[in-house]
Amino acid sequence: EAGVAQSPRYKIIEKRQSVAFWCNPISGHATLYWYQQILGQGPKLLIQFQNNGVVDDSQLPKDRFSAERLKGVDSTLKIQPAKLEDSAVYLCASSPGLAGPGVEQFFGPGTRLTVL
Amino acid sequence: GNSVTQMEGPVTLSEEAFLTINCTYTATGYPSLFWYVQYPGEGLQLLLKATKADDKGSNKGFEATYRKETTSFHLEKGSVQVSDSAVYFCALSNAGGTSYGKLTFGQGTILTVHP
Repeated sequence: EAGVAQSPRYKIIEKRQSVAFWCNPISGHATLYWYQQILGQGPKLLIQFQNNGVVDDSQLPKDRFSAERLKGVDSTLKIQPAKLEDSAVYLCASSPGLAGPGVEQFFGPGTRLTVL
Repeated sequence: GNSVTQMEGPVTLSEEAFLTINCTYTATGYPSLFWYVQYPGEGLQLLLKATKADDKGSNKGFEATYRKETTSFHLEKGSVQVSDSAVYFCALSNAGGTSYGKLTFGQGTILTVHP
């Protein structure tokens, strides 16, 4: 079974530029998550989708970040415009069925973003 | 709100030494508790979990017991190997509310095991 796929793996941009990350979850997984992991910290949830609907985006900086999950499968996370403090690893994760207690999340390899 | 605190790191051990990584949490209700591991160059993967008080999660020689009275979920291994060198994250998820299923992570503990 293929795991969670993410691209690109690395991205370097100048501040104020735009960037987009792509995630393909494990086939059949209804729940998809985007996390931001700043160096030396644990991952922090940005947004959670259940199929193609948003469940939680309370930690998403909506003035510059946006995310969509068309047709309940692939997802794209965009930053426009980027700031220096957006330098981090962006992790995508998915889980089967409805989110719930003890349900394992499967993580992709992440995209490392550097903003200069 | 929910929070997870892990022991200060990094941790450096010799092979076959005993490992403990402390984890305490703050949460409402009855969270599920997890340990995730990140090996060099790889993504996060689940190491073990426990979903209710006094449950013990175990995998690959690692163990952790859900202690509600001390709000802790300490990770232990009796004899570490060089291949255990990685970053370990303690995490929790709540059973209800708008944060259903959302993972809250600790800051991570870097473990280095020398031959």
